[in-house]
Amino acid sequence: DAGVTQSPTHLIKTRGQQVTLRCSPKSGHDTVSWYQQALGQGPQFIFQYYEEEERQRGNFPDRFSGHQFPNYSSELNVNALLLGDSALYLCASSPWDREGEQYFGPGTRLTVT
Amino acid sequence: QKEVEQNSGPLSVPEGAIASLNCTYSDRVSQSFFWYRQYSGKSPELIMSIYSNGDKEDGRFTAQLNKASQYVSLLIRDSQPSDSATYLCAVDYTGGFKTIFGAGTRLFVKA
Repeated sequence: DAGVTQSPTHLIKTRGQQVTLRCSPKSGHDTVSWYQQALGQGPQFIFQYYEEEERQRGNFPDRFSGHQFPNYSSELNVNALLLGDSALYLCASSPWDREGEQYFGPGTRLTVT
Repeated sequence: QKEVEQNSGPLSVPEGAIASLNCTYSDRVSQSFFWYRQYSGKSPELIMSIYSNGDKEDGRFTAQLNKASQYVSLLIRDSQPSDSATYLCAVDYTGGFKTIFGAGTRLFVKA
């Protein structure tokens, strides 16, 4: 049983560019959440997707957007990249009846230069 | 006031001792509480969930919840060097649709 997978593993972008990160949830999970984790900090909630809709959003600007597909996989898009967007981006999946019990993917390390 | 607060540590305990990790949260309506372990360079891993006041035990781990005091703790008995990691406290807001993490407590278990 494959766990949560994310791609790519690492990414280097230039300020002002756009990036798309991808996530496939654990089998049987239909809820996907995205987090940003800076070095030495806890994960910061970006948003959660369920049934292809954004169900809840954290304190992130509209430059951060997402999508969930019918197979429950998800994308995170970040436009107009800033240096401060450099971080580890984590995807987590959970079953509909236990949204808080999350399984994390390995993350995508984004570096903005 | 931060929504979920943890002592950043580091907390250092000798092998075989009990490690005690603490967390406070600000939203009185929160119903679900979690502890995650994160090894350096890895992603968080769920180790405990607790939903009711009192203690919940799972192997060497015990989670304690006191909703009146808005306090959650994690005890690790017979600590091992392999327990050395950052422990993240997480609290569900808005019925589980939004999880807020603390900054984590770094634990070192000395052999």
